[in-house]
Amino acid sequence: KAGVTQTPRYLIKTRGQQVTLSCSPISGHRSVSWYQQTPGQGLQFLFEYFSETQRNKGNFPGRFSGRQFSNSRSEMNVSTLELGDSALYLCASSSGGSAGGTYNEQFFGPGTRLTVL
Amino acid sequence: AQKVTQAQTEISVVEKEDVTLDCVYETRDTTYYLFWYKQPPSGELVFLIRRNSFDEQNEISGRYSWNFQKSTSSFNFTITASQVVDSAVYFCALRGVNTGGFKTIFGAGTRLFVKA
Repeated sequence: KAGVTQTPRYLIKTRGQQVTLSCSPISGHRSVSWYQQTPGQGLQFLFEYFSETQRNKGNFPGRFSGRQFSNSRSEMNVSTLELGDSALYLCASSSGGSAGGTYNEQFFGPGTRLTVL
Repeated sequence: AQKVTQAQTEISVVEKEDVTLDCVYETRDTTYYLFWYKQPPSGELVFLIRRNSFDEQNEISGRYSWNFQKSTSSFNFTITASQVVDSAVYFCALRGVNTGGFKTIFGAGTRLFVKA
């Protein structure tokens, strides 16, 4: 089975621009979560989607948004980029069931390293 | 609120030494899940183990073992006879079923250096 894929792997943007990151989960997985990883704040939860619905959202400003498509692929968007948005953005997928698959381990992609200049 | 604390920022050991990584968690949920992940220098997090709050049976898997103690809210991870390839950042994580919603809370991570 192919793993979680994220595109692009590296991205350089300037302040004020917007960016869209893409994540393709493992085939059959319906849950996709996004995390931001920085040296100072560590791994912080952004949001999780299950069957095209956002189930939970972390404490990030409204500039951070996401969506999930019917094929479970997910995108996250950051508008009006700030220097502090420079980070590794990780996507994770897990299988879900009627209970939402809370117990399931997550499989992570390699991440997209975003640099904001 | 949910919280995961990994008090050890960095640990350095010599190959073949045993090393224990500490994890203490806080949650009001009665049902929750605990995880350990490894992040090697390549950057991709790798799942190691999951435990649910009703399963305090400790486990040994090869050189890895886990000690889950609900009474002290701890979920420690031990590597026996460490190897250079074990060098990585290790994250403990918590996922609560009730108040936790569907988000996974990660600890700050412990960076393990294994020297040859």
